[in-house]
Amino acid sequence: DIQMTQSPSSLSASVGDRVTITCRASQSISSYLNWYQQEPGKAPKLLIYAASSLQSGVPSRFSGSGSGTDFTLTISGLQAEDFATYYCQQSYSTPRLTFGGGTKVEIK
Amino acid sequence: QVQLQESGPGLVKPSETLSLTCTVSGGSISRYYWSWIRQTPGKGLEWIGYIYYSGSTNYNPSLKSRVTISVDTSKNQFSLELSSVTAADTAVYYCAKATSGYWYFDLWGRGTLVTVSS
Repeated sequence: DIQMTQSPSSLSASVGDRVTITCRASQSISSYLNWYQQEPGKAPKLLIYAASSLQSGVPSRFSGSGSGTDFTLTISGLQAEDFATYYCQQSYSTPRLTFGGGTKVEIK
Repeated sequence: QVQLQESGPGLVKPSETLSLTCTVSGGSISRYYWSWIRQTPGKGLEWIGYIYYSGSTNYNPSLKSRVTISVDTSKNQFSLELSSVTAADTAVYYCAKATSGYWYFDLWGRGTLVTVSS
């Protein structure tokens, strides 16, 4: 299986900060990388698909980049509602779809 | 808008079969792929499998021998059966709509906790 490693596993930030989360694949996955946000007690919500395409309805402060093995999710101007856990997911090797371990964004 | 809702027993005995149903409301189950995903504190998010409205399926190889996903288009529902469960199958189970190509999950149910215990 393709392993997805996220870093950091957690971070503390303040409202208004620019936050960057990294996801690294154990082998090249082209642009088959999706990002989700999960608030406590809720289901994950799709933010970015195909590495850099913003899902409809998601604020433009979220952006994704990368290809191959290294990907980033950037939140430009962190808002109070953005404190959550973020997951990456690779879809290059169907049917072996796998998720990263998550990055928890906490209030500083 | 389209909504998903999981239903089924919250407690299953070891060695028995876990059965869950996802009801799709506000839209048709046809023309899309539908998936089951589970989440545990230890293993995180784990994709279980998906089904097309026509009935074709694809499963996670690590669970394939124990998983069956089926669809009932007349009821706008799809279902999960996981056999021979153990405590390791205790998790929050989500149903989700999947979009093929880049295979992302763009709509999720609220999730249901299933505990495996005697």
